[in-house]
Amino acid sequence: GDSVTQMEGPVTLSEEAFLTINCTYTATGYPSLFWYVQYPGEGLQLLLKATKADDKGSNKGFEATYRKETTSFHLEKGSVQVSDSAVYFCAQRAHDYKLSFGAGTTVTVRA
Amino acid sequence: DAMVIQNPRYQVTQFGKPVTLSCSQTLNHNVMYWYQQKSSQAPKLLFHYYDKDFNNEADTPDNFQSRRPNTSFCFLDIRSPGLGDAAMYLCATSRDDKSNQPQHFGDGTRLSIL
Repeated sequence: GDSVTQMEGPVTLSEEAFLTINCTYTATGYPSLFWYVQYPGEGLQLLLKATKADDKGSNKGFEATYRKETTSFHLEKGSVQVSDSAVYFCAQRAHDYKLSFGAGTTVTVRA
Repeated sequence: DAMVIQNPRYQVTQFGKPVTLSCSQTLNHNVMYWYQQKSSQAPKLLFHYYDKDFNNEADTPDNFQSRRPNTSFCFLDIRSPGLGDAAMYLCATSRDDKSNQPQHFGDGTRLSIL
C-alpha cells in the first residue's frame, strides 16, 4: 500500500547549520508530495508541495524536489534558525482523499 | 485571517461525559476531515465529509461521530470518552479530493480526560 518513510529524529542542530530530512515514498501511480510543519501546541501548516516529477517546492528557505527515480522528497534548508524548531511531516496523496504521513521528525535548533 | 478555526483550543471533560469539538472554515472547501493525533505520532484520519457525504475510516471507533450541518461547520462528537481518547484533534479542509490539493489544518483542540 501507499506509505511514507522519513528520517527519524530527533535532530539537533546549531543555528545556521544545514538541515536535511530524508523522505521516501511508495505509491501506485504518481502521488502529490507535501511537507508539513507543526510548531509546539499548534496544528499542521503546509510548508511546501510538489505535484509531479522534478517539481521543486520551496518556502521560507526550505526546498524539496520530487525525485521519481529515487521515490524521494528530501527536505533541505541551508541555514536554520531557532524559529525552525518544530516537527516536520512528509506526506503523500495518491489517487484518493487520503494523506499518508511519515512518522514525523523533531528538529531542535540551538542558538 | 485564520481559515480553519477550531474551538476550543483546550477541552477538559470527565471520563464517560459526552464532548463536542467544533471546526469552521472560511475557505468554502468541499471536504472537511477530522484527525486524532497522539503525542509524538502522525495524525490519524478518523473520517471526512465530501459535501454532505460522510466517509468513516474502517478503524474509527463507534464512540466517535461527526456532523456537518453546512459547508462551513463540522463537529466531532465523542459519546463516551475514555482515557485513551486524550489527544490533539485536528480539523482540516481541502478544496476537493484530487490528489494535488493540499489539506489545510486548524490549530487543533487538545482534549484531556479526567
